[in-house]
Amino acid sequence: AQSVSQHNHHVILSEAASLELGCNYSYGGTVNLFWYVQYPGQHLQLLLKYFSGDPLVKGIKGFEAEFIKSKFSFNLRKPSVQWSDTAEYFCAVNRYSSASKIIFGSGTRLSIRP
Amino acid sequence: EADIYQTPRYLVIGTGKKITLECSQTMGHDKMYWYQQDPGMELHLIHYSYGVNSTEKGDLSSESTVSRIRTEHFPLTLESARPSHTSQYLCASSPSGEMDTQYFGPGTRLTVL
Repeated sequence: AQSVSQHNHHVILSEAASLELGCNYSYGGTVNLFWYVQYPGQHLQLLLKYFSGDPLVKGIKGFEAEFIKSKFSFNLRKPSVQWSDTAEYFCAVNRYSSASKIIFGSGTRLSIRP
Repeated sequence: EADIYQTPRYLVIGTGKKITLECSQTMGHDKMYWYQQDPGMELHLIHYSYGVNSTEKGDLSSESTVSRIRTEHFPLTLESARPSHTSQYLCASSPSGEMDTQYFGPGTRLTVL
């Protein structure tokens, strides 16, 4: 079955620590990859996306993600987190031929200690 | 800021009631989606639409139905609510040609007693 795995359910960090959230998917072939973020009380919103080209993608608020095709991974990173990064992060994958149906991971809750 | 709206934001209702969750977007997007999300779990696609008069069931079986009579409006209806329908329902839309980037509404948190 098609799946997106986020292995970290809850991550707790101190401010200024570095962040890496894992995401693996189980499709072969061409994929589009996304990270969405949901801040407390707010809409789910797009953080960054990969469609083609440079596998290192930069998003908003200093986040970046690297697509490693051989590992079926799209991990999210940030060198130095802030308290305002406290949120739920969702990885999502769309198979290029799958006509806009996106599969989401179960999410990772990130808590930042001030 | 995405212009996609959902009402109500919170709904507590008794078993057996008929309910409609509203979703509207003012961006002229062709594609619209309904997801169901339980706490700590992934979003599950329950319905989607590629345009007016087009509706499809998603990957997760749902007893709900949808309609798409106007581009901007994609309501979801439960004919007879049950406690198993308690969940958060998220509506999203995406424009054609923007490689499937989806814009989400704030969600409706439904509790069926």
